[in-house]
Amino acid sequence: DAKTTQPPSMDCAEGRAANLPCNHSTISGNEYVYWYRQIHSQGPQYIIHGLKNNETNEMASLIITEDRKSSTLILPHATLRDTAVYYCIVSPQGAQKLVFGQGTRLTINP
Amino acid sequence: DAGVIQSPRHEVTEMGQEVTLRCKPISGHNSLFWYRQTMMRGLELLIYFNNNVPIDDSGMPEDRFSAKMPNASFSTLKIQPSEPRDSAVYFCASGIRGRFGYTFGSGTRLTVV
Repeated sequence: DAKTTQPPSMDCAEGRAANLPCNHSTISGNEYVYWYRQIHSQGPQYIIHGLKNNETNEMASLIITEDRKSSTLILPHATLRDTAVYYCIVSPQGAQKLVFGQGTRLTINP
Repeated sequence: DAGVIQSPRHEVTEMGQEVTLRCKPISGHNSLFWYRQTMMRGLELLIYFNNNVPIDDSGMPEDRFSAKMPNASFSTLKIQPSEPRDSAVYFCASGIRGRFGYTFGSGTRLTVV
């Protein structure tokens, strides 16, 4: 599986947009980018996924660069409840094994 | 929808004892996953099932670990005998094969003393 690189930690002010970067320079053509987050003492929560087009749902937006070597998860109006560890995962289409890295610990400050 | 239900939420046991963790997946989901999370190793996939059949158990650390899924609504992860290094949070997740996004349970925090 392709590996991902994320900053270990980030801070963001409440109400502002949180932009979480992820590098996946060895991504293959059939591999999707997934984002999960884990709020303290809870199980991971699926956020969004994408292949090459930008995606948006009720939780976040995913921007994937044209060369697909990096992506950014955007939380448009961060709240204190968005404080969590965010995981960027790359996995082939149809693959069921998701390999979690260390993720980015995002802290939303009041 | 009650989500993925795991029990117990916390378990403290003595070294050498048998431990059984339980999981009830979301109704209609046909894939089930067991993960373990520690500070040192992060989230690790132990085993997963499709349609109640174990597909990949390469993440199971030792023969002391075993998992079963006797039907679509129940799975167990058993550790026998337990050791202090098994202390971790164990998560169960379920999903629909071919669809994106799994749902995780709240986990079982296991402490082996």
